[in-house]
Amino acid sequence: NAGVTQTPKFQVLKTGQSMTLQCAQDMNHEYMSWYRQDPGMGLRLIHYSVGAGITDQGEVPNGYNVSRSTTEDFPLRLLSAAPSQTSVYFCASSYGVGDGYTFGSGTRLTVV
Amino acid sequence: SQQGEEDPQALSIQEGENATMNCSYKTSINNLQWYRQNSGRGLVHLILIRSNEREKHSGRLRVTLDTSKKSSSLLITASRAADTASYFCATYNNFNKFYFGSGTKLNVKP
Repeated sequence: NAGVTQTPKFQVLKTGQSMTLQCAQDMNHEYMSWYRQDPGMGLRLIHYSVGAGITDQGEVPNGYNVSRSTTEDFPLRLLSAAPSQTSVYFCASSYGVGDGYTFGSGTRLTVV
Repeated sequence: SQQGEEDPQALSIQEGENATMNCSYKTSINNLQWYRQNSGRGLVHLILIRSNEREKHSGRLRVTLDTSKKSSSLLITASRAADTASYFCATYNNFNKFYFGSGTKLNVKP
């Protein structure tokens, strides 16, 4: 039972490049979300999904896209990376909406 | 923002002492949760308390919730060096969203 798997663990991008952060869970969780963590600012919600085919925006969605074609996968796409997107990104899932989260180990992204 | 705000931002205690962290939030909630994050790692769920509950225990953890004051506290009894971590509260409302605070950094000195 792997839990929540995020790849890659580290990434350096140049300004303007695009990339996809992968997130997969094997717990049959319906609720999945993406957060970014910046020093002194806690975790901020980017996008979330309450089930396959359903996504919605969080606090800081600009510059990010998501899709949820399967229950297991919830990739986060950066369309045109900016230095302001330098952060640690966490994917999390829970069995139902409002239940305790299981977090992935994070992706540390640097945009230069 | 509905973010919870933890207080204090940093706490340093000796092993064996109790550690208390507080969380305040702004709007009505469905439940409140506490998480621990060791340096460089993902967050780990500790405990969930629902809006109709006032107190909950799990091992050395005790959580209280006062919805009239929109606040919660996390008490860690008989702390150990392994409890050194950042602790976050997260509030869940009925609009499918969690909001995290900025955390309390706990240092337990051996």
